[in-house]
Amino acid sequence: AQKVTQAQTEISVVEKEDVTLDCVYETRDTTYYLFWYKQPPSGELVFLIRRNSFDEQNEISGRYSWNFQKSTSSFNFTITASQVVDSAVYFCALSEVTTDSWGKLQFGAGTQVVVTP
Amino acid sequence: DAGITQSPRHKVTETGTPVTLRCHQTENHRYMYWYRQDPGHGLRLIHYSYGVKDTDKGEVSDGYSVSRSKTEDFLLTLESATSSQTSVYFCAVQEEQGLNTEAFFGQGTRLTVV
Repeated sequence: AQKVTQAQTEISVVEKEDVTLDCVYETRDTTYYLFWYKQPPSGELVFLIRRNSFDEQNEISGRYSWNFQKSTSSFNFTITASQVVDSAVYFCALSEVTTDSWGKLQFGAGTQVVVTP
Repeated sequence: DAGITQSPRHKVTETGTPVTLRCHQTENHRYMYWYRQDPGHGLRLIHYSYGVKDTDKGEVSDGYSVSRSKTEDFLLTLESATSSQTSVYFCAVQEEQGLNTEAFFGQGTRLTVV
């Protein structure tokens, strides 16, 4: 069975500090996708990043970066130079890739990020 | 924007009454999903559909049924609402299988069962 663990319930930072969100996952599949979604106070879910299990290259996209390590089953997400608008709940999610379960997402419990001026 | 509309956006209903939530999409995506969001649990999959009349259960399907008679509509029904079904419900859609796809979510429906 799949499982996604976000051990951090809430992180509070002051603006311009970096924030790293931890995500640990469990799956027996050898091929899978990992995602990060953002849920601002307005409630919608916003897609941030996606990673395929066969591509461990870590990247930076603007102020976002991620560290994917299959050896430790971790998919951590970093916001550099945080801003008040980054205040939100962040979800890590795992997806299978079999035909009849395409796109089914297993979510972590979420991490509340609070950025104060 | 995947053209997803959920209705209603808010609903208060009494225990024991039937409730139907609607998810409508305009992009003809094959895959559609219903999730519920509860504190401490993130989002959990209720039911999903991989085509018209093709549906299957998710992790928390008890007390829920779904129907998909048209590509664009995916209905979630609570046959007899209970207080434990008070939650925020999200619909999601996804394109055909491919390397660079992700789920797009509707705005959510806040359901309160009193």
